[in-house]
Amino acid sequence: GAVVSQHPSWVICKSGTSVKIECRSLDFQATTMFWYRQFPKQSLMLMATSNEGSKATYEQGVEKDKFLINHASLTLSTLTVTSAHPEDSSFYICSAEGGMDNEQFFGPGTRLTVL
Amino acid sequence: RKEVEQDPGPFNVPEGATVAFNCTYSNSASQSFFWYRQDCRKEPKLLMSVYSSGNEDGRFTAQLNRASQYISLLIRDSKLSDSATYLCVVNGGGGADGLTFGKGTHLIIQP
Repeated sequence: GAVVSQHPSWVICKSGTSVKIECRSLDFQATTMFWYRQFPKQSLMLMATSNEGSKATYEQGVEKDKFLINHASLTLSTLTVTSAHPEDSSFYICSAEGGMDNEQFFGPGTRLTVL
Repeated sequence: RKEVEQDPGPFNVPEGATVAFNCTYSNSASQSFFWYRQDCRKEPKLLMSVYSSGNEDGRFTAQLNRASQYISLLIRDSKLSDSATYLCVVNGGGGADGLTFGKGTHLIIQP
């Protein structure tokens, strides 16, 4: 099946720093990727839809200036958490849309801890 | 507002038992329906898609009732390895659209 990777798998940073997370589709091209966030004991929540070559579409309540998304190629989308704060600590998961049924394939997730 | 509601459990069942989960969704325009499985601190993995005609994959059977906006999952002859959180997921349709996840139902299979 299709493989999606994320890097890094975990990161610990100080409050105020920016963190970049990469999402790659390894064996297929994805014009659309999605970024989700999951807090402990909560459901995955869609943050934004990343479209190759155009601006991302953000869900209500997600600050586009804080969570910068760049989808510069058909196999790579990046999410940058700018000026991270402890409340941004979460499990960030990307997915890439592909296949005949436009199935979403998930990356392994990035666990962000902001001190 | 898109919502998917599930009983969070936990469901504690003995190995070999049959267990059923269900969920309801609020967006009547939803087009695609799925059950995902998520293990602790891991990404969700697709278990099966759900169709109106019902579908079966080994010990797993999924049903969709569009009129009632209700989705079910049945697991027969449960195994210890079935212990996980099962996520009910819908897609709003209309082209590229993110998935809406339920909070999940936690299943614990006991030996």
